[in-house]
Amino acid sequence: GDSVTQMEGPVTLSEEAFLTINCTYTATGYPSLFWYVQYPGEGLQLLLKATKADDKGSNKGFEATYRKETTSFHLEKGSVQVSDSAVYFCALSDRYTGNQFYFGTGTSLTVIP
Amino acid sequence: GAVVSQHPSWVICKSGTSVKIECRSLDFQATTMFWYRQFPKQSLMLMATSNEGSKATYEQGVEKDKFLINHASLTLSTLTVTSAHPEDSSFYICSASGQGAPGEQFFGPGTRLTVL
Repeated sequence: GDSVTQMEGPVTLSEEAFLTINCTYTATGYPSLFWYVQYPGEGLQLLLKATKADDKGSNKGFEATYRKETTSFHLEKGSVQVSDSAVYFCALSDRYTGNQFYFGTGTSLTVIP
Repeated sequence: GAVVSQHPSWVICKSGTSVKIECRSLDFQATTMFWYRQFPKQSLMLMATSNEGSKATYEQGVEKDKFLINHASLTLSTLTVTSAHPEDSSFYICSASGQGAPGEQFFGPGTRLTVL
């Protein structure tokens, strides 16, 4: 079945450090891939998405490229800020499973000044 | 982008009472709504999927008599936690999808339920 495997945290970085959070997936068909961010006590906010192979999603300095050959969608940011501290979820949506979402376990990021 | 609201944002209730949580799509017609539950420091667990005008489909292990879901219109779904107990305390998140953005879900801000 469909699934998402996400890098375990927590991750602690100094401000302006480079961030990578790994995400790989297994899917029956051709899924859409997403990164969501959740700030403490809040719901999920869409950070970026990619709907087909080789697409690159980007937003607020974050990027992720849909790699079909490696079934990956790693999240990167060149220079993190304290305000990026949050939990990040990788997710996929597969039309072949009725657009049900499959979430990774989440990666907690803390950025220290 | 599409906006989904939830009400209330938090609720505290006594054990044995019922609590209703509303999920509204504010600027689009949500043909399908999803209800998730999230335990502290864990990922989202899908509880049920509901299509407007039909009965909800519950995930395995979710008690349909405990968690009543109604999706009476294209903009409103409700989750009622009946006879709540402390173990039902959790963060409940709804999401909605519509024809305008196939394959994508728009998430509400969540409702924190605490049962005393």
